[in-house]
Amino acid sequence: KQEVTQIPAALSVPEGENLVLNCSFTDSAIYNLQWFRQDPGKGLTSLLLIQSSQREQTSGRLNASLDKSSGRSTLYIAASQPGDSATYLCAVKDNYGQNFVFGPGTRLSVLP
Amino acid sequence: GAGVSQTPSNKVTEKGKYVELRCDPISGHTALYWYRQSLGQGPEFLIYFQGTGAADDSGLPNDRFFAVRPEGSVSTLKIQRTERGDSAVYLCASSLDPGQGAYEQFFGPGTRLTVL
Repeated sequence: KQEVTQIPAALSVPEGENLVLNCSFTDSAIYNLQWFRQDPGKGLTSLLLIQSSQREQTSGRLNASLDKSSGRSTLYIAASQPGDSATYLCAVKDNYGQNFVFGPGTRLSVLP
Repeated sequence: GAGVSQTPSNKVTEKGKYVELRCDPISGHTALYWYRQSLGQGPEFLIYFQGTGAADDSGLPNDRFFAVRPEGSVSTLKIQRTERGDSAVYLCASSLDPGQGAYEQFFGPGTRLTVL
């Protein structure tokens, strides 16, 4: 059974710093991996989707990498801003079914 | 067009009652997912529809939970004999037909269910 973990559980950084969020999964037979952000009391907003054949995806200040063989993905946020404060979740879709398995999230606070 | 919408945004009910939660997916999205999210946790998969049929209901916790999507668009999640442990945020997501390889999911704002 696929299990997804995220480290750290919470992170607080000053504005302007570059930071890395980590996602690990136990079964490397994944179809794709998706990063989301969730603001308090809101639904999830899709950030980046990486197919299993890809190594990374970039959108603006965000860069996500995928290393299937080691069961890891990282989300890199450049020049962080207070508006980046949210919970960041990763989710993997494996090759066996149609559901995504989510990690517990990393709660990010960017201090002005 | 509009994103995924869910109604109601909040639902408070008493233990033992029946509730229905509604999801309107993005127009043209044939895949629809229901998830449940408890405080401090990531969403937990409940059920997946491809068109009108439930292609994967392996995440439904027990037979008190049921979902329908009769016309392949709007979906309703139904919970019978609610229990306090059912309290959570119920999220709906939709995506384009997986057969086209477009798996990105778009989420609604959720329905916060509180069972007293």
